[in-house]
Amino acid sequence: SAVISQKPSRDICQRGTSLTIQCQVDSQVTMMFWYRQQPGQSLTLIATANQGSEATYESGFVIDKFPISRPNLTFSTLTVSNMSPEDSSIYLCSVSVTGRYYGYTFGSGTRLTVV
Amino acid sequence: DAKTTQPPSMDCAEGRAANLPCNHSTISGNEYVYWYRQIHSQGPQYIIHGLKNNETNEMASLIITEDRKSSTLILPHATLRDTAVYYCIVRVAGDNAGGTSYGKLTFGQGTILTVHP
Repeated sequence: SAVISQKPSRDICQRGTSLTIQCQVDSQVTMMFWYRQQPGQSLTLIATANQGSEATYESGFVIDKFPISRPNLTFSTLTVSNMSPEDSSIYLCSVSVTGRYYGYTFGSGTRLTVV
Repeated sequence: DAKTTQPPSMDCAEGRAANLPCNHSTISGNEYVYWYRQIHSQGPQYIIHGLKNNETNEMASLIITEDRKSSTLILPHATLRDTAVYYCIVRVAGDNAGGTSYGKLTFGQGTILTVHP
């Protein structure tokens, strides 16, 4: 299965600033997904990122707040813009993998605290 | 994708089998049952998936009822390291051409499994 490197692993940011999270995969993948996990909650999908096209956002998430880039088949970034304390969460990227089990691999996440 | 229902929490003694139930009464014929787990401070980890037959791998067994409206994940000999949140997810496998999976995973609240000594 694919191996995902996600950076940074954690950060503490001032409100009003922006943070860009990187997701690097060790193989080419078609689809990449960005999730948010608020404290004590389950994972919520933010958007799906395909290479060469605009990201598709889920209800409640907008591009101005969470711009996503997908410049090639192994890399994506998620930016959390104009942050507020409510953005404090774990952000995870995930990829769909080619294989016998049609599974998904997740990065270890970025733990963001906004103060 | 069909909705799933899981108990919020379960306990299991170390060395015993952990049986985690999941209800998915509205599952469609082309939807698979996936199980993932999330150990504290880590990303979710794939465990197993199945369509209608029982499945077993090195981590667990998946028992799906004949009507496919419920399933049970079995960890045969639970260890302390199996303490995690376990998610049952139902979804279409998507375009299987070339073995590539498409689509998204929708996570419910899952079951917090605590394995105690």
